[in-house]
Amino acid sequence: NAGVMQNPRHLVRRRGQEARLRCSPMKGHSHVYWYRQLPEEGLKFMVYLQKENIIDESGMPKERFSAEFPKEGPSILRIQQVVRGDSAAYFCASSSGNFQETQYFGPGTRLLVL
Amino acid sequence: AQTVTQSQPEMSVQEAETVTLSCTYDTSESDYYLFWYKQPPSRQMILVIRQEAYKQQNATENRFSVNFQKAAKSFSLKISDSQLGDAAMYFCAYSGQGGSEKLVFGKGTKLTVNP
Repeated sequence: NAGVMQNPRHLVRRRGQEARLRCSPMKGHSHVYWYRQLPEEGLKFMVYLQKENIIDESGMPKERFSAEFPKEGPSILRIQQVVRGDSAAYFCASSSGNFQETQYFGPGTRLLVL
Repeated sequence: AQTVTQSQPEMSVQEAETVTLSCTYDTSESDYYLFWYKQPPSRQMILVIRQEAYKQQNATENRFSVNFQKAAKSFSLKISDSQLGDAAMYFCAYSGQGGSEKLVFGKGTKLTVNP
């Protein structure tokens, strides 16, 4: 499967726990974007990363959320001390970085905070 | 900041008929990109069609076409010969030139296809 991979597909956490969401971009893609979709809403941009660099984190909540895209391995979106309001679908997209290349989306991770 | 508005929360169409989904956007940029994404019940985001603002010709992809009116900042999606598999949420999205190229999404239109 050469598409964008995300895991886990479903994640259940209790309030106060940590959530780690993983994204492996399409082969040949070095740009990763994370979006969040709250129930009945459109997707909202969170962060844009290239390998080892955060390019734009203007959509990231100021606290508890962090993202990385190491030289080796998948991109990680980390949510510390989760609260019920973090329950949402988190989508990762990737692109090749060529000017205005289309972003291709993964299947998403559905996070449920109990 | 750019905004995308989809004024139709829900639409329905009879199988084999044509339906048009509306989208307007606001931007001060002169060059940008517009997209329609489909989200079926599986919730996978699927690119339907893409339009470059500098192109006057409307994009088409099989049964899907757009009506891009740059001056009016309007970008509607027409689905011809609707099929049951077209039932989904449809999101209009904007991406500007340069910068982070992040996508700005509308709130979506839920399309129901009636047999």
